[in-house]
Amino acid sequence: GDSVTQMEGPVTLSEEAFLTINCTYTATGYPSLFWYVQYPGEGLQLLLKATKADDKGSNKGFEATYRKETTSFHLEKGSVQVSDSAVYFCALSDRMNTGFQKLVFGTGTRLLVSP
Amino acid sequence: DSGVTQTPKHLITATGQRVTLRCSPRSGDLSVYWYQQSLDQGLQFLIQYYNGEERAKGNILERFSAQQFPDLHSELNLSSLELGDSALYFCSSGSGSSYEQYFGPGTRLTVT
Repeated sequence: GDSVTQMEGPVTLSEEAFLTINCTYTATGYPSLFWYVQYPGEGLQLLLKATKADDKGSNKGFEATYRKETTSFHLEKGSVQVSDSAVYFCALSDRMNTGFQKLVFGTGTRLLVSP
Repeated sequence: DSGVTQTPKHLITATGQRVTLRCSPRSGDLSVYWYQQSLDQGLQFLIQYYNGEERAKGNILERFSAQQFPDLHSELNLSSLELGDSALYFCSSGSGSSYEQYFGPGTRLTVT
């Protein structure tokens, strides 16, 4: 079945450092790709998405590009803030035989940003 | 705020017991999805309802069941609870067959 692999954490950075969190996927067909963020004690929030190859999703300074040739969707941010400390999940949409889509998640990567 | 609500926020119960988790979708969304987030299994899809009907099942145990009511809220019933059922349970909602899902804050279940 479809799967998502993302880098192990925690990723520890100083404020204003550059962030990359790697994500690769395995899928039949052409899934949509997502990054979700989970702040401490909260639910999952959609951070950004891309629906087809070469699309770039962006939000709040975060970016990720759907790379079909490398089956990747790496998350980047040029300058992280302490408030970005959270767990980041890469996910893909898996179309079920009912026509509906379920989300398949990676294991999550914890980001810790220090002042 | 995603517009999806879940109650209760926390639940502590003993092994062998039964609990019910509740989810109200965003206004206008007909689909409700349930996910389990545990330390060993990560985030996994359990089950989906659309407009009151079950539409898909994932890795849901036979001890678990769900339903969606006419007002579109959904309940996840967990019975004969085991220690390993301790997890965060999320619901999400979406419209139609769209890939976009909006998540609630989750219910943290602790089985002692």
